[in-house]
Amino acid sequence: GAVVSQHPSRVICKSGTSVKIECRSLDFQATTMFWYRQFPKKSLMLMATSNEGSKATYEQGVEKDKFLINHASLTLSTLTVTSAHPEDSSFYICSARGGLTYNEQFFGPGTRLTVL
Amino acid sequence: EDQVTQSPEALRLQEGESSSLNCSYTVSGLRGLFWYRQDPGKGPEFLFTLYSAGEEKEKERLKATLTKKESFLHITAPKPEDSATYLCAVQAPNQFYFGTGTSLTVIP
Repeated sequence: GAVVSQHPSRVICKSGTSVKIECRSLDFQATTMFWYRQFPKKSLMLMATSNEGSKATYEQGVEKDKFLINHASLTLSTLTVTSAHPEDSSFYICSARGGLTYNEQFFGPGTRLTVL
Repeated sequence: EDQVTQSPEALRLQEGESSSLNCSYTVSGLRGLFWYRQDPGKGPEFLFTLYSAGEEKEKERLKATLTKKESFLHITAPKPEDSATYLCAVQAPNQFYFGTGTSLTVIP
C-alpha cells in the first residue's frame, strides 16, 4: 500500500514555458502533500506543504507565483513551474501523507525537469 | 536550532561487512524519526518509522534503533543491491527535517 505516482517522470522544455507536474496517491487519501526539490547529491529541500482544499504553505525563499501548487482533491496535487528558466532545472519529488499511516510520508518517483 | 545530521557522508563496504549509519538530531518535540532509501534518479522509499527511545525495527538486513539523541541504521552482511543513499528525517510538531544522507556502496 501507500503508493504515490508522479507524472511526467521526465520533461524537457524551452525557457519561458510553463510545466505542470502531477502527484497522485493511488491507494490512500492524502490529507497533506509535500513538494520537494533535490539537487545532485544533495538532500531534499521542502518547497511547500499543501492540504486538500486550502492554499499551499511555502517555505521561505520559494516564490509562490513561480511554483503554483494546487491540491484539488485528496488524491491529486499539481505543481506548475511558471515561465521556467534553466535554473529551475532540477529533480522535483512529491510526497503524500494520510490514511491509516498518518505520520509517514510516502514519496513519488520524482520528475526530472530540464529547461533549455 | 532544530537540526538533523547524518554520518558518514559516504561509506564503502565489502559485501558481508556489517556497519552502521548514524542520524543525530536536535529537535524539540520529536513526533517520529524516519529512514528512507533513495536510489539514483528515484524518489525515497520508506523503510522505517521510530517513535520513542529504545524502539527497534528490522527489515531483512536492516535494523533501525532510536535513542533520545540519535538513530542508527545497522546493516548486517550487506549485499551490492543494498547500495543506495539512506536518508533520515525527523518530524517535529511543525516541521519535517531531512538529513543530507549517507551514500552507501557495497562492493562485491
